[in-house]
Amino acid sequence: EVQLVESGGGLLQPGGSLRLSCEVSGFIFRSYAMSWVRQAPGKGLEWVSVITDSGDDTKSADSVRGRFIISRDNSKNTLYLQMNSLRDEDTAVYYCAKGVGSSYPQSRVIDYWGQGTLVTVSS
Amino acid sequence: NFMLTQPHSVLESPGKTVTISCTRSSGSIASNSVQWYQQRPGSSPSTVIYENYQRPSGVSDRFSGSIDRSSNSASLIISGIKTEDEADYYCQSYDSNNVIFGGGTRLTVL
Repeated sequence: EVQLVESGGGLLQPGGSLRLSCEVSGFIFRSYAMSWVRQAPGKGLEWVSVITDSGDDTKSADSVRGRFIISRDNSKNTLYLQMNSLRDEDTAVYYCAKGVGSSYPQSRVIDYWGQGTLVTVSS
Repeated sequence: NFMLTQPHSVLESPGKTVTISCTRSSGSIASNSVQWYQQRPGSSPSTVIYENYQRPSGVSDRFSGSIDRSSNSASLIISGIKTEDEADYYCQSYDSNNVIFGGGTRLTVL
């Protein structure tokens, strides 16, 4: 059974930093691209970042580029999102998601989602 | 970047068939595959259609997907609607630099 379990969310002030983790099981992690997708309260889904299977290529949305860094440790079956210079508008549930393939274009197609972790940015 | 436009909401009765559209603003709908995600209230999203019409294992065959080049849109068709289908549905596509989601459609089962 495929499982994606996010952790690391919390409440912090604007300008702060946070690292989210997503521990996976049930599939060969090193063979698949992974993504982060967020959802602000009462809003729709917004893509954040994607990383290839080996971690040698990443892409991020304009809204987070230069502030958020996606990475992975294939030896630990874990995906990360380092979030810096946080803003009020980054408040959201952050979902970890598995791609159907290792790189573009199948990296952009999601087949499994985690349960999400809530990040609240507020003074 | 292109946009994906969905109706805000649709209403239908149990047992009926509903079609949810997703229109691409620029570039061909056939250029990149379209996915559909279901999000029930209080739950995380789940994939019901990927690569235009593929159904993940475990997803009911009441769910199907298609694309229409003439209207530059994709569609999610749900037949034999059940109360458990009441949810938000999001279409998604991509290009080499971005992943784009539609705004979502709330399906209410009357």
